[in-house]
Order: sequence, then structure tokens, then C-alpha cells
Amino acid sequence: EAQVTQNPRYLITVTGKKLTVTCSQNMNHEYMSWYRQDPGLGLRQIYYSMNVEVTDKGDVPEGYKVSRKEKRNFPLILESPSPNQTSLYFCASSLTALGSRNEQFFGPGTRLTVL
Amino acid sequence: GQQLNQSPQSMFIQEGEDVSMNCTSSSIFNTWLWYKQDPGEGPVLLIALYKAGELTSNGRLTAQFGITRKDSFLNISASIPSDVGIYFCAGHRAGGTSYGKLTFGQGTILTVHP
Repeated sequence: EAQVTQNPRYLITVTGKKLTVTCSQNMNHEYMSWYRQDPGLGLRQIYYSMNVEVTDKGDVPEGYKVSRKEKRNFPLILESPSPNQTSLYFCASSLTALGSRNEQFFGPGTRLTVL
Repeated sequence: GQQLNQSPQSMFIQEGEDVSMNCTSSSIFNTWLWYKQDPGEGPVLLIALYKAGELTSNGRLTAQFGITRKDSFLNISASIPSDVGIYFCAGHRAGGTSYGKLTFGQGTILTVHP
């Protein structure tokens, strides 16, 4: 089944404890992206990757890191989480970034709470 | 970063009524996308629009790409209870430093009363 998977689905952690949220897609998509969703703000793009070893900042990159060593994986790293990073996080992928094949498919989400 | 202005923020309607929501921006967009999010799930793509003026339907859903390329609307006809959810517009802005970025609206929360 074609899908985007994220792990973990739920995470409660404490301020300053490094964590990684994994994202994997099995559709051979070039483009992958991370978003956070907060009430009243919709989805805001954190980082995106046009292809392997190519990453770029979205609208809210502060406090996050990403890497794209393989086409299928795009982990999100919080080196020193803070309470304002408590949010619902979504990973997404699409065949390409632009043009008629840029429909993004979303994972199920990761609900992160930073105490 | 810029967000799209999506309205209304929420709607409470009776089953069978038609629904209309829209998104506007001060910037030109190359692509408009409409997503629906069910509780506890990720957004799912409903309709994708790629040309100014384009009108596209998907069952009871119809969406249009505004001719100015700065707006889009989504209509749902004869609503049913399973239409409940959050609807998001999203768009790719034209070129330059925006290449690769997807911008979302704030979402419209739709409630349908049987």
C-alpha cells in the first residue's frame, strides 16, 4: 500500500531532551516536507527536501533540523525541544515539487508534547 | 511566512445545504490545492488546480482557480454528515525563493447537522 508513515504517533518529552521523528514513504517520491499544525494557524511548513541531500527551510524552521540521506526517509530532529514546539506534526511527500505531479500525500501525524 | 487568508473559519450547516469557502492571497500562485482533514488523520487531497480560470469537479465538490491567480474557492453541494472535517486550501507561489514551498490557509471547520 502506497503510504507515508511517521513514528512515533504520540510523544511526551521534557525540555531539552533531543528527539527524532521519523518519516518514510514508499512511493519513490522526490519531494518530502514537514509541517506543524496549531489551532487557528493551519499547517506551516518547517523544512522541505526537493531530493536526496537537498533540503531547505520552510516558513518556521527555527529549532528544527532535517536530513535526507535516502530518498524514502526524511527525519525531523529537535536538538533541544521547548514547550513552544508542542504541536501536531505532519510529514508529506509528492512525486515532484512543482507542476502537475505535486499533489502532496500526508502521513498520519505525530502529536508532540514538550513539558 | 505568509499564509493564505481562508474564510469562513467555521460553518454550521444542515444536511443537504450547499457550502462555499474561499482563499485569497496578495501573491500570485501557480497551483491551488484543496485538502480535507478528518479528526486524527492527515490532510487528504480533494482537488488540484493548475491553470488560472480552471474549474474542476470531484463528485459533489467543485473548485476554481481564480483568473487573477490570487484566489480560489471550493463548493460542496448537497452536504452530508461525512463532509464534516477541516478543509484547507494550499498553494505553490510562483518562482524565486518560494520554489518548493507550499503555503496553507488557516482552515475552515465544517459541521453538518443531520
